[in-house]
Amino acid sequence: GAGVSQSPRYKVAKRGQDVALRCDPISGHVSLFWYQQALGQGPEFLTYFQNEAQLDKSGLPSDRFFAERPEGSVSTLKIQRTQQEDSAVYLCASSLVLGQTYTDTQYFGPGTRLTVL
Amino acid sequence: DQQVKQNSPSLSVQEGRISILNCDYTNSMFDYFLWYKKYPAEGPTFLISISSIKDKNEDGRFTVFLNKSAKHLSLHIVPSQPGDSAVYFCAASEDDKIIFGKGTRLHILP
Repeated sequence: GAGVSQSPRYKVAKRGQDVALRCDPISGHVSLFWYQQALGQGPEFLTYFQNEAQLDKSGLPSDRFFAERPEGSVSTLKIQRTQQEDSAVYLCASSLVLGQTYTDTQYFGPGTRLTVL
Repeated sequence: DQQVKQNSPSLSVQEGRISILNCDYTNSMFDYFLWYKKYPAEGPTFLISISSIKDKNEDGRFTVFLNKSAKHLSLHIVPSQPGDSAVYFCAASEDDKIIFGKGTRLHILP
């Protein structure tokens, strides 16, 4: 079956613009995660959903970042008033069971590369 | 401060030889460790994992070793193949999060 897909794959924004990044998880996957990967770094956790409930948003760097998953499937990460330091690859991952990372594998999408000019 | 550290940004290994990628961590409460592999323009792909109650897990050419007293784990790939050239991320799980290291770029030389 299809894996995790993300769109757009590349996004260029002028500083101050709002952007919306989409994630389509694997069908039936309960858990969905967003990560931010800066150049030369590993992915860093942003937020986590279990179905439509956002259970952990401790990694969101500021209140300009907002994520939602209203119907428990597709998720959108929105960044308002983008800044240059927001430039990164944004990765989405999904897993089958309920956030049990030690028993379940997270499947990653290809990411969206955001460049803020 | 990084909780998961991969101190070697890159590693070159001859095809057919053993590749050893190292990782150190600081949080003794981590209960599960994982290795992910990443090709350019793709997301990370799960490779192998190990529970903190074990010291070794093997899957084909890949073996992960865990030394809890030293807070150190390593990934062994033997024999190394050209398709193994990629960035390898060490990671540890804490509650609902995975915490990644910065990655090590492995080059398999012909």
